[in-house]
Amino acid sequence: QVQLVQSGAEVKKPGSSVKVSCKASGGTFSTYAIIWVRQAPRQGLEWMGGIIPIFGTTNYAQKFQGRVTITADESTSTAYMELSSLRSEDTAVYYCARGMWGDTPVGRYYFYMDVWGKGTTVTVSS
Amino acid sequence: EIVLTQSPGTLSLSPGERATLSCRASQSVRNSYVAWYQQKPGQAPRLLIYGASSRATGIPDRFSGSGSGTDFTLSIRRLEPEDFAVYYCQQYGSSFQTFGQGTKVEIK
Repeated sequence: QVQLVQSGAEVKKPGSSVKVSCKASGGTFSTYAIIWVRQAPRQGLEWMGGIIPIFGTTNYAQKFQGRVTITADESTSTAYMELSSLRSEDTAVYYCARGMWGDTPVGRYYFYMDVWGKGTTVTVSS
Repeated sequence: EIVLTQSPGTLSLSPGERATLSCRASQSVRNSYVAWYQQKPGQAPRLLIYGASSRATGIPDRFSGSGSGTDFTLSIRRLEPEDFAVYYCQQYGSSFQTFGQGTKVEIK
């Protein structure tokens, strides 16, 4: 059974960057999508973007375009999410999740997420 | 961007009762590509339903999903103590996925 193990909590200064890792074990890595979702304190879930490692293609939510970079290393079954120009509003728990994807008549779509990491807390504070 | 509105915000029920949660989309969701997740405090979300009505692996059959177009429903038949949690709907029928704001199911 696949498990996603995320890196530890981070405390960052405003204006800096954070890079969170997500290592998959016990299952296939490359043929699924790895999706990043964040949750600010006492708030709901927010889809940030994802990558399909076998293609190396990414898709980012408009809100995070230009500030987030998602990468994957197939050799280590690890995905990364880097968020730059951090501000206090980026304080949140960041989850990686295994996602389904498919090719549709209107393009390649990311679908639902069936396996989740435990989350990484990122605190942005001066 | 498709906006999902969940109602009610909070549902107060007793164990054994039936829960009905609503998720309304601002425009039609292609192919009924709606998923439901359960989240308990301090835990990651857990997939319950995908494709509006298909149960994920290992999910008890007291959970069921229905709907199409813009209106989707998650039903929990006979609430168990472990079902009290926050539930989120998600649409993945557009190139930009979105979540609803969540419905909390609490013990009455």
